[in-house]
Formats: sequence, C-alpha cells, structure tokens
Amino acid sequence: DTEVTQTPKHLVMGMTNKKSLKCEQHMGHRAMYWYKQKAKKPPELMFVYSYEKLSINESVPSRFSPECPNSSLLNLHLHALQPEDSALYLCASIQGDMGAGGATGELFFGEGSRLTVL
Amino acid sequence: EDQVTQSPEALRLQEGESSSLNCSYTVSGLRGLFWYRQDPGKGPEFLFTLYSAGEEKEKERLKATLTKKESFLHITAPKPEDSATYLCAVQEWDNAGNMLTFGGGTRLMVKP
Repeated sequence: DTEVTQTPKHLVMGMTNKKSLKCEQHMGHRAMYWYKQKAKKPPELMFVYSYEKLSINESVPSRFSPECPNSSLLNLHLHALQPEDSALYLCASIQGDMGAGGATGELFFGEGSRLTVL
Repeated sequence: EDQVTQSPEALRLQEGESSSLNCSYTVSGLRGLFWYRQDPGKGPEFLFTLYSAGEEKEKERLKATLTKKESFLHITAPKPEDSATYLCAVQEWDNAGNMLTFGGGTRLMVKP
C-alpha cells in the first residue's frame, strides 16, 4: 500500500464545476508534487511545494490552483476545466528539497485521481 | 534541449525470455537517474537510483546499469507479474533541481 493517499480515486465533473483533489502523506516529507499523466504518456510536472515554497510550472493553466494547508496536505483546486484536462493526476512526496541537494529523486507516488471532464 | 528517450516503446516477452530496456539521456549535468515501475491506473513505484557511470543496482529479476549516455534495465527470466510500464527519469544539477524529466516509458508484457 502506498503511503501517499489521494482522494477521490475517480472524479467526473462538468466544465462549469468547481472541485478539489486531495493528497495526504504522514512520512514527514517536506516536498510534495502534483503530476498530470495522460494515457500512455509519462507524468508531467504541474506544481511543487517544498519547505512551504511553491514552484509553479509555467505551462499550467490558471484553472488549476494548488494549495498546501500544511506540510502533510496538498490540494489541487479545479475550476472551469476543459475535456482535454481529463487525465490521471498524481501526487508525490519526497523527504528533502531536491533543489537544495537534500534529496535524491526517490519520489513516493499516490495511486492517483482519475479525472474525467465532460 | 534535455531529453530522455526510452526504447522500445513496447516489448512482448515469453515467460523466462530475458531482455533489456534502454533509457538514453542528454542532460547538461546528471545528478541521478531513476527507474520506476507503473501498473495500469496506479502511480509509479520507485525501483532504483543510479548516480555515476559504471554503477549497477539489482532487485530480484531486475538489474539497472548506467553509462555516461544511457541506462539499461535488464530483466532476467521474467514472469507475467513483471508486466508493467517501466519509466526512467533524470535529475540534473541546475537551478531546476526539484524536477525530474521522465522518458516515455516501455510497456512490458510477459506472456506465460
């Protein structure tokens, strides 16, 4: 069983809805990530929270909004999504700050939230 | 532009038929190369980290090796439960050190 928990596992929403994806880890990790993965494609980085600093992938549309309430929780707020945003959204965490030399890239992934936008 | 390329895209093996997956990379400064396994509809599961050319890591039927330009994931006598997508990813020594660049993956299917 993964130690990174994502909810919900499946989400269907219309283009006018507002919904949120949630991620939780209790491993004491200080960096958490959101990735987007389309079928038969590799994961694409969306956002990183590291020691309470947000690093934004500039190619991510503003209809995706991350939030990190504390070091164990990471949310992804969704608003006015498009059908092409349908994908598997993966949360991951790592013990240290990869950018500060404190981590080695061993990401712990959750099982993902399968999002379908109608 | 930094790139990570995996080949083949798909590989079908009979149970017990050993083979290798390739991950070639072009980065300005390699900090680490990582192999992950991903089952359908699941998140990737970490397998190995390699840091320098010549390094090797083993786990059960899997062995990962690294050169200055590529990494191989050798699968010895695979079983049907080894069927999955295998992803490699690289981390660089630069200001974007918090990012991993993933290759496209190799979908491995092992038939009994």
